[in-house]
Order: sequence, then structure tokens, then C-alpha cells
Amino acid sequence: GAVVSQHPSWVICKSGTSVKIECRSLDFQATTMFWYRQFPKQSLMLMATSNEGSKATYEQGVEKDKFLINHASLTLSTLTVTSAHPEDSSFYICSAHKGLAGANTGELFFGEGSRLTVL
Amino acid sequence: AQSVTQPDIHITVSEGASLELRCNYSYGATPYLFWYVQSPGQGLQLLLKYFSGDTLVQGIKGFEAEFKRSQSSFNLRKPSVHWSDAAEYFCAVGIPGGGADGLTFGKGTHLIIQP
Repeated sequence: GAVVSQHPSWVICKSGTSVKIECRSLDFQATTMFWYRQFPKQSLMLMATSNEGSKATYEQGVEKDKFLINHASLTLSTLTVTSAHPEDSSFYICSAHKGLAGANTGELFFGEGSRLTVL
Repeated sequence: AQSVTQPDIHITVSEGASLELRCNYSYGATPYLFWYVQSPGQGLQLLLKYFSGDTLVQGIKGFEAEFKRSQSSFNLRKPSVHWSDAAEYFCAVGIPGGGADGLTFGKGTHLIIQP
């Protein structure tokens, strides 16, 4: 099977600082990765679609200047929460699409998630 | 836009009993359908998926799901649950066709296993 790894798995930071979360596809190349946010005991909400070598596509209501996404290589996407505030505390999960670019084969593999706590 | 409804927020089942988790979707055609399981503080693990063909899909850990077009449903079943099945279960839909799109998830069903 395909493996997607997130780092760090949990992070605590002070309000006003920035935090970077990495999402790596370990044994396959992913032209497309997705970032989700999950509040406690709630479902996953898609934040943005990250495409290798191009700008991310953000879902409505997600602040692109707040949540910076970079997909610089076929195996790495990063999510940076800038000037974090307590309301940004959440569980962030990435998924990577294994398949041909532009083809929705549905082969999505999820990372273990990263829990962010902003004090 | 597509949507997913999981009507049961919590379900309690005795160990060894059968299980059915409900999922209904709203979409103009047949979407891709998925069931994922999430243990506390963990990421998601794919249990099974339906793209096309046989409407009864077998997955991992003894789970199966049946796609019923007439009911826009994709219910998850297991004949005999184990204590280790206690977790959060999410049904999700994906849109077939060009472009890799993120999935739309239901709100989840929390499964409790009692001895």
C-alpha cells in the first residue's frame, strides 16, 4: 500500500507564531495533495487542493494568507499556519492522490494527522 | 454540489453482534463512495470503496458495503463486531471524471462496542 506521513504529529505554539506542517508521500509521487481540517468530534472539512508546481486551490471561506500551502515536489506538500491564534487549534490531515494528474481514480491515501494547539 | 449524510451520530453494539452504519449521499449521478475508519487522534484508514460494477463491496477487517442507487445509499455492514472496531466511521463521496478532487465527508458515526 501507499504511505503518507505527516510531521509533526502534534505541535504546541504560542499565539502569533507560525507553524509548518509537512505531508510526504513516502513511496509514490503525488501531483495532487489535499489538506483537511477536523474539529473535535466533527467531520473533515476540505481546506485546499495542493498541486505540484502551481498555486493551491482554496475552498470557500479558507483564508489563503492564513494557511499557506506549498507543493514544491511530487512527494512533499507543506501547510503553514501563519500568525496562529487559539481558534486555529485543530487536527489537520493531509491526503495524497496516487494516480495520473487530472484523473480522479479515487486513490487517496491519508496521513496520520497533525494536532495543532495554539496557546 | 454533493453531500453526505450519516444519520446516526452514535451507535452502540454488543461485541459479536452485527453492525450496519448508514450513509446517504446527494449527487446528480453515481459518485465514488468510500468508508473510512478513524481511531482517536489518528488519521483515516480506508475500509472499502465503490467506483462501479458489483454493488456489494468487500473491504478490510471483515467489512462490506452495498451501493443502492435507488436509495442513494452506501451502508456499511459487519456480521460480527469486535471490541477493536470501536472508532469513528466516515462515509465520503468523490466525483468521477477529470481532475482529482478532494472528498466530501459525512459527519461521522461514533461506534461504541459494549461487552
